[in-house]
Amino acid sequence: DAKTTQPPSMDCAEGRAANLPCNHSTISGNEYVYWYRQIHSQGPQYIIHGLKNNETNEMASLIITEDRKSSTLILPHATLRDTAVYYCIVKESYNTDKLIFGTGTRLQVFP
Amino acid sequence: NAGVTQTPKFQVLKTGQSMTLQCAQDMNHEYMSWYRQDPGMGLRLIHYSVGAGITDQGEVPNGYNVSRSTTEDFPLRLLSAAPSQTSVYFCASKTSGTYEQYFGPGTRLTVT
Repeated sequence: DAKTTQPPSMDCAEGRAANLPCNHSTISGNEYVYWYRQIHSQGPQYIIHGLKNNETNEMASLIITEDRKSSTLILPHATLRDTAVYYCIVKESYNTDKLIFGTGTRLQVFP
Repeated sequence: NAGVTQTPKFQVLKTGQSMTLQCAQDMNHEYMSWYRQDPGMGLRLIHYSVGAGITDQGEVPNGYNVSRSTTEDFPLRLLSAAPSQTSVYFCASKTSGTYEQYFGPGTRLTVT
């Protein structure tokens, strides 16, 4: 699985969009990009995943560059409850089970 | 559905003691796994199972045993606890072929 690089921390004002970047320059053609988050000390929570096209669900949007070497998770209207550690994970499409977590980005949403 | 449940929530052990962390899911998921999370770190995979009777090692399996006799349960055994096993332990499950993993609330273990 390709390695990912994320900034260790970011701040965002409540109500503004939070844009969390992830670099995965060694990603191969059949690897998916997943995002999970961990609020305080709870178990991680799945957010979204994508392969090539941009994806959107009720929680967030995922923008993947055309060369697939990086992606951005967008929380369109951040709230205080979005304060969490966000993990970007790259996985082979045939093996979606074993997640390898890095240290993630700690997002702090402030009033 | 209760989802993924873990017991106990907190546990303190002395070095050398043994114990079993319990994990259960009621979603009929084939895949189950155990992770540990040390302070300031991401989660690391200990053991996983793709179905009843089948288990395999993850990144950090030493000092831990698992078994999977039913689809619902996936206990993690510490045979002889060491201070290095002080951590928060998370259990997760998913349906094979899908993308979303469901995590339990965690067990906070301290070994003195």
